[in-house]
Amino acid sequence: GAVVSQHPSRVICKSGTSVKIECRSLDFQATTMFWYRQFPKQSLMLMATSNEGSKATYEQGVEKDKFLINHASLTLSTLTVTSAHPEDSSFYICSAIMGSTEAFFGQGTRLTVV
Amino acid sequence: AQSVTQLDSHVSVSEGTPVLLRCNYSSSYSPSLFWYVQHPNKGLQLLLKYTSAATLVKGINGFEAEFKKSETSFHLTKPSAHMSDAAEYFCVVSYNNAGNMLTFGGGTRLMVKP
Repeated sequence: GAVVSQHPSRVICKSGTSVKIECRSLDFQATTMFWYRQFPKQSLMLMATSNEGSKATYEQGVEKDKFLINHASLTLSTLTVTSAHPEDSSFYICSAIMGSTEAFFGQGTRLTVV
Repeated sequence: AQSVTQLDSHVSVSEGTPVLLRCNYSSSYSPSLFWYVQHPNKGLQLLLKYTSAATLVKGINGFEAEFKKSETSFHLTKPSAHMSDAAEYFCVVSYNNAGNMLTFGGGTRLMVKP
């Protein structure tokens, strides 16, 4: 199957700083990427849908000014958590699709804000 | 609207015994259904998918699932559990055959005892 790579896999940052998470489709061009958040022992919650070259579509309740998404190319989407706080600590997962294919998931990023 | 209910949050089996993870769905459309597995601090790996072809779907690692429209179910089974099967399993529904715009079930944690 297609490969989606997320980086970093783990990050610890200080409260008030920003952190960027990258999601790359390694062997295909992703027309759409999705960002999910997963709290401990819970399911994945869709945060936003990102289409290459256009603004991301955020789900209800997700602050777009806090979670900045950029999808500048067909192989890269980034999620920037701005002015991070401890409550932003979570597991963030991206997925990517090419046209109408199934979704391929990254390995996730564990964010800890201290 | 679509939704997915995984009936058991935790399932514990002994190694070598059968596995049954239950999933019921509701969808206003002909659904595509997926099972994903997530090992600790890892992304999601697709086990199998149903997209209106054969109702009995065989996946990787010996898993299979049967789509039963009359029962709106898509239960995941495996004849003999292995220690490496211990993980979190997600049943997922999509309202189109493309597999994007996924709705996740709450997850089932499978524990395998030696």
